[in-house]
Amino acid sequence: DADVTQTPRNRITKTGKRIMLECSQTKGHDRMYWYRQDPGLGLQLIYYSFDVKDINKGEISDGYSVSRQAQAKFSLSLESAIPNQTALYFCATSDPRFSYNEQFFGPGTRLTVL
Amino acid sequence: AQKVTQAQTEISVVEKEDVTLDCVYETRDTTYYLFWYKQPPSGELVFLIRRNSFDEQNEISGRYSWNFQKSTSSFNFTITASQVVDSAVYFCALSSPRGGTSYGKLTFGQGTILTVHP
Repeated sequence: DADVTQTPRNRITKTGKRIMLECSQTKGHDRMYWYRQDPGLGLQLIYYSFDVKDINKGEISDGYSVSRQAQAKFSLSLESAIPNQTALYFCATSDPRFSYNEQFFGPGTRLTVL
Repeated sequence: AQKVTQAQTEISVVEKEDVTLDCVYETRDTTYYLFWYKQPPSGELVFLIRRNSFDEQNEISGRYSWNFQKSTSSFNFTITASQVVDSAVYFCALSSPRGGTSYGKLTFGQGTILTVHP
């Protein structure tokens, strides 16, 4: 079974709808991250959490919110989706015991906002 | 702020050619870590390598090799005798250790799309 899972894997929605993307991990890592990938822009950090009580904005947090329900779960919400939020979204985890911050990625969620 | 630049947006080669993907980075940290990830057409991100800034030895893993040059802030990736299965998007990334300017975060380059034709 995959260590980092994301649901759904694909989602098509309409402008204005509320969407939640979920991430679960079995790696026991305290740190979790949400990224979005757009062609030609690499991965941009949306939000990150170093533990259950710690939530931080990344580079592009506008229009997004997150919830860290437990050590193993980190959800990303789009309160009112817009077409330019169409992208591939990745969740990642890392182990704070290691200074180099190697991140382990989920399989991605492809979101299309019409 | 940290920055990673992959100047090559797309590269197209014919199978068995060697290909080098460039990565240049900027950081104020004296200690840092560099990574390469591969994203095949299926979309997942596959970790390839991690390199510490204090270890300038080049590394070879099969057909893959990495050339880290601190003097030019570069961490280039070479695929020898490329194969069609190497077709993917490749990302270079940078992180800071505890106390660094971007502790706990990865800064990614824009990615290079590599297409290997049969």
